[in-house]
Amino acid sequence: GAVVSQHPSRVICKSGTSVKIECRSLDFQATTMFWYRQFPKQSLMLMATSNEGSKATYEQGVEKDKFLINHASLTLSTLTVTSAHPEDSSFYICSARERGATDTQYFGPGTRLTVL
Amino acid sequence: GQSLEQPSEVTAVEGAIVQINCTYQTSGFYGLSWYQQHDGGAPTFLSYNALDGLEETGRFSSFLSRSDSYGYLLLQELQMKDSASYFCAVSRYGQNFVFGPGTRLSVLP
Repeated sequence: GAVVSQHPSRVICKSGTSVKIECRSLDFQATTMFWYRQFPKQSLMLMATSNEGSKATYEQGVEKDKFLINHASLTLSTLTVTSAHPEDSSFYICSARERGATDTQYFGPGTRLTVL
Repeated sequence: GQSLEQPSEVTAVEGAIVQINCTYQTSGFYGLSWYQQHDGGAPTFLSYNALDGLEETGRFSSFLSRSDSYGYLLLQELQMKDSASYFCAVSRYGQNFVFGPGTRLSVLP
């Protein structure tokens, strides 16, 4: 149980285009999903917290208009990187916390974004 | 604010025991988790401590001392496949997880 999927696993796009990444909890209801970004050899940096049915909460320094997050259902959250630039190239990882749980989050396999 | 500290790198040989320490400073502490991440992969959950003491899961054990704001991950009978990065993460009441900088473990034959 507690499986989280992400799609796509890898994406290469041209500068200026938008990319959508999906995060799904496959066998549980996730009231909260988190989006992280990880640069090579660095730790995971929380970008935003996505709560089902409400607006996402962004961490300081993360542009809301550039990283659009939608959590339309208890099993799906999407991250859209708008007008992507090479500096947005990174490993994007989502995680999901099960309804009622506070101590464990389950990670998706990650999405490797390369912006040319 | 909050901060976590871990050693950046640890090296050990197969069959050995290694301990990765984590110290933290945070308000509203709820628990300490440990995650393993292989190169190119996503973090996988290893263990969680909310109370003081030792939690054992197979070859891995995790310890927490809330009064010292300190925890560690203990890996026994090291195997080559244990070479990875290990992150401690603090969860706080009603708030999000904060990850430590990570410790890169290299297991030598």
